Amino acid sequence: KQEVTQIPAALSVPEGENLVLNCSFTDSAIYNLQWFRQDPGKGLTSLLLIQSSQREQTSGRLNASLDKSSGRSTLYIAASQPGDSATYLCAPSSGGSNYKLTFGKGTLLTVNP
Amino acid sequence: ETGVTQSPTHLIKTRGQQVTLRCSSQSGHNTVSWYQQALGQGPQFIFQYYREEENGRGNFPPRFSGLQFPNYSSELNVNALELDDSALYLCASSGTSVGELFFGEGSRLTVL
Repeated sequence: KQEVTQIPAALSVPEGENLVLNCSFTDSAIYNLQWFRQDPGKGLTSLLLIQSSQREQTSGRLNASLDKSSGRSTLYIAASQPGDSATYLCAPSSGGSNYKLTFGKGTLLTVNP
Repeated sequence: ETGVTQSPTHLIKTRGQQVTLRCSSQSGHNTVSWYQQALGQGPQFIFQYYREEENGRGNFPPRFSGLQFPNYSSELNVNALELDDSALYLCASSGTSVGELFFGEGSRLTVL
């Protein structure tokens, strides 16, 4: 059974800081891994998708890496802004389907002006 | 804007009642998944539909059931509601082999 842990659970930083969010998962037999952003009471917004054969993906100020063998992924956010404040969730897909995602509890990020 | 729309956005039910939640997937997407997100938790996989057939199920009892229609829209039905069913129910669609999921804004269910 896939289990996902995200560290830290919460993070508060000043605007402009670079930061790293960590995700670990127990079953390395994954199809891909997605990072999502969730604003309070809202749905999930897809940020980055990394296929199991890839090592990293980049989109603007975001960079996600994947080390499948060690069961780890990181999300790097450069030059953080107050608008980045949200909960960040990582979700590997496994269990016989590239659409069945297992989520961690997320990291609550607050970027202070 | 992902193109995945869910209704209703909020609803309140009492214990023992039944509820139907609806999802319109993004145009061209033939796979729909449903997730339950309790307060303070990450979403949990309920089930997935591909071309109108259930194609995977998480650890949820049979009173959680679903349908996918020929236009790929979907319904989630929950019978005999319990207090613990209070949660945000999220629908996600995908239509590519890449496996990227796009989520709707969710339906917030409160069971009293």
